[in-house]
This record gives sequence, structure tokens and C-alpha cells, in this order.
Amino acid sequence: DGGITQSPKYLFRKEGQNVTLSCEQNLNHDAMYWYRQDPGQGLRLIYYSQIVNDFQKGDIAEGYSVSREKKESFPLTVTSAQKNPTAFYLCASSIGSSLSGNTIYFGEGSWLTVV
Amino acid sequence: AQTVTQSQPEMSVQEAETVTLSCTYDTSESDYYLFWYKQPPSRQMILVIRQEAYKQQNATENRFSVNFQKAAKSFSLKISDSQLGDAAMYFCAYRSVDFGNEKLTFGTGTRLTIIP
Repeated sequence: DGGITQSPKYLFRKEGQNVTLSCEQNLNHDAMYWYRQDPGQGLRLIYYSQIVNDFQKGDIAEGYSVSREKKESFPLTVTSAQKNPTAFYLCASSIGSSLSGNTIYFGEGSWLTVV
Repeated sequence: AQTVTQSQPEMSVQEAETVTLSCTYDTSESDYYLFWYKQPPSRQMILVIRQEAYKQQNATENRFSVNFQKAAKSFSLKISDSQLGDAAMYFCAYRSVDFGNEKLTFGTGTRLTIIP
């Protein structure tokens, strides 16, 4: 099936640990995104990438890092510098430029909890 | 920077009735895209409807339609014949066409409850 796969669905992190959330897409999309959602709030952009080996900070990039070594993969690392990482994380992708109105599609999300 | 405002944190509607969810946005751009996404309890973000700013005609998708007022920067979603499966969080979103700024900016959402 074509789509966006995020793993793991649930992840627990101890204080001071780095954790990595996986996002893989087989839609041949150029652009990929990471969003964070806190309870009762909308989505906020963490990082996005429009082409391989290039990415830009979003609105809340502090404490996070990403890489884009392959077109289909855009992993997100939540570092120990992120003071309040407990949230729901959504990965998304789109064909590329929005000039043609390409819609952004989302994965099923990953829950991260600090214990 | 663009902002999106959803002023109704919660709405409810009787099953089979019609409900309208409000959304306003702020931008200095003349061309852009607007979206409504639905997020059911599963948390999956599902595209409901999309509107191109340069099109005068309001988008429709079956029971879902929008009222796009470009001058007023308003983009409301109308759900007709509401069904129990429509219960969800609904998010309005804005997408620029400027290269390098093509992210989605979301409102804070409206929780829609369907009353049987």
C-alpha cells in the first residue's frame, strides 16, 4: 500500500535521552514535514525538507534535529535539549511545490511520553 | 507571517442537520491555498476539502462545502446532513505558494460533536 509510515506508534523516553521517530513514505513525494501537536492545540511545524540533503527549521525547531539522506525517509530526533517533548508527532509529505496546489498528506502519528 | 484563527473551540449539531465551522486568516499574499482537515479520535489527519485562492467558485466535496470570502479573509466549512462519523476535530490550514515557505499553517481547531 502507498502511504506514510511512522514508527513507533508509542514511545517512552527517559529524562536526558535522545530518541528518534521514523517516517517513511513510498509516494515519491519530494517534500516532507514534521509537526507537533499538544493536547487541545493545533499543529506546529518543527522541520521541513523540500529536497534530499536539505531541510529548514519550522516554528519550534529548538531541541529537535532531522536528516534527509533519502527521498523516502525523514527521521526526527528529539534531543535531551527539548525540555517538554511529551506530545503527538505527525509526519507529512507532498509531491513538492505548492504551485500546483499539491496537498500535504499525513502519517498516523507517534506518541512520545517522557517518563 | 500568516496566521489562521478558528474562534469556535467546540460546536455541536443534531444528526442530519447542517453546521458551519468558521475560519479566518491573515496574509499579505494574493495567491495561496486553504484546506480543511478532519482529525477523528484515531488522530489521523484527513483532508476534507481544498480551495485555491485564485478561484472564485467555492469548493464542494459531497456533503462538505466552503464559503470562501477572499476580501474578508474568511474560509468557513459547511457540513450538510451531519452524520455520527463527522464527529472529530476540524482544522483550517493555510499554505503559501512562495517557494521555500510552502508549509501548512494551522488554526487551533474546532471540536465537532454530533448529537444523535
